[in-house]
Amino acid sequence: GENVEQHPSTLSVQEGDSAVIKCTYSDSASNYFPWYKQELGKRPQLIIDIRSNVGEKKDQRIAVTLNKTAKHFSLHITETQPEDSAVYFCAAYSNYQLIWGAGTKLIIKP
Amino acid sequence: GAVVSQHPSRVICKSGTSVKIECRSLDFQATTMFWYRQFPKQSLMLMATSNEGSKATYEQGVEKDKFLINHASLTLSTLTVTSAHPEDSSFYICSARDASGGVNEQFFGPGTRLTVL
Repeated sequence: GENVEQHPSTLSVQEGDSAVIKCTYSDSASNYFPWYKQELGKRPQLIIDIRSNVGEKKDQRIAVTLNKTAKHFSLHITETQPEDSAVYFCAAYSNYQLIWGAGTKLIIKP
Repeated sequence: GAVVSQHPSRVICKSGTSVKIECRSLDFQATTMFWYRQFPKQSLMLMATSNEGSKATYEQGVEKDKFLINHASLTLSTLTVTSAHPEDSSFYICSARDASGGVNEQFFGPGTRLTVL
């Protein structure tokens, strides 16, 4: 079955700098890759997603890239702000369900 | 976006009691709902997939007799934790897939914090 690996587990960046989180997946049939942001004690919130027929997608300060050949996708956050501090999860859609990465705790240093 | 509610948001119970958690899709029909459990500082762990009008599909290692799931309508799924014990204390989150919209996106409920004393 599908396996999703996410790195790093913790990422600390200076406010204003960029943050990059990377995920790899194993099932070449996976065709949908969402990224979720979860604040402590709250539900995961979809921040951006990408489908397998697209290589890159951008929404203001957030972008996602997908390399189908290498089976990896990445989240890019530019001009980071304190409110970006949270845990970020990648996921891959496989066999009618989402397979989740382990999460990355993003810390924005003032 | 679509709205999913979950009730209760927080529950504290004694060991041995049963707890029911409701998950509702408020403005769309959900043929499929998912139940997750999340321990502190960990990722979401899928417990079961609930399909309206049929039996839930449980993930390996999840006891179906302990975690009873009912998906009786297109807008409601319930999870009952039977004879709860302290190790069942966790954050339980449901999600729902819009039957009419994109096939992949899931909408999450706000979660239920269960504490078993």
